[in-house]
Amino acid sequence: EIVLTQSPDFQSVTPKETVTITCRASQSIVTALHWYQQKPGQSPKVLIKHASQSAPGVPSRFSGSGSGTDFTLTINSLEAEDVAAYYCHQSSTLPYTFGQGTKLEIK
Amino acid sequence: EVQLLESGGGSVQPGGSLRLSCAASGFTLKNYAMNWVRQAPGRGPEWVSGISVSGDNRNYADSVKGRFTISRDNSNNTLYLQMNSLRVEDTAIYYCTKDYSSGWFDYWGQGTLVTVSS
Repeated sequence: EIVLTQSPDFQSVTPKETVTITCRASQSIVTALHWYQQKPGQSPKVLIKHASQSAPGVPSRFSGSGSGTDFTLTINSLEAEDVAAYYCHQSSTLPYTFGQGTKLEIK
Repeated sequence: EVQLLESGGGSVQPGGSLRLSCAASGFTLKNYAMNWVRQAPGRGPEWVSGISVSGDNRNYADSVKGRFTISRDNSNNTLYLQMNSLRVEDTAIYYCTKDYSSGWFDYWGQGTLVTVSS
């Protein structure tokens, strides 16, 4: 199974800050990597599909990049409403797997 | 508006069974692969099972293989997960997810809680 390792596990952030979350795959997944946001008490919501394609309705401050084994989710000019947990997910190979998550908290 | 509404969760003793249902609306279920994803308290999501459009192709995580069965009724727009021989470690919120294509999930239900405890 493909293991996805996110970093950091936790980050304390301030509004308007630029935040970068990384996701490393244990083997190449080309661009079959997707990012989800989960706010407390809610279901996950897709932000980025196929490494760099924004999902419909997602604010432009969210962007993704990478291919192969190394991927990045960037949040530009973070807003207070972006406080959430973020997960990467690979669909290259079954079983599909998720990263352990990155939790953002406002300082 | 796409909606996925899970039901059937609850509390059960180890070794027991539950059947989860996911009622889909706002789209044509028969055109999409579907999945079940679970999330244990304080943990990240874990893919459990997926089923193809026709239902002919079904896949499972090793942790549930042989105990869980995914199925679909396209005529009634419903996805199912039959869970047998439940274990304490199966305790989680179970989400039904719509697979847009190539394995990314464009819609998630609100989830149904399964608690396995003696």
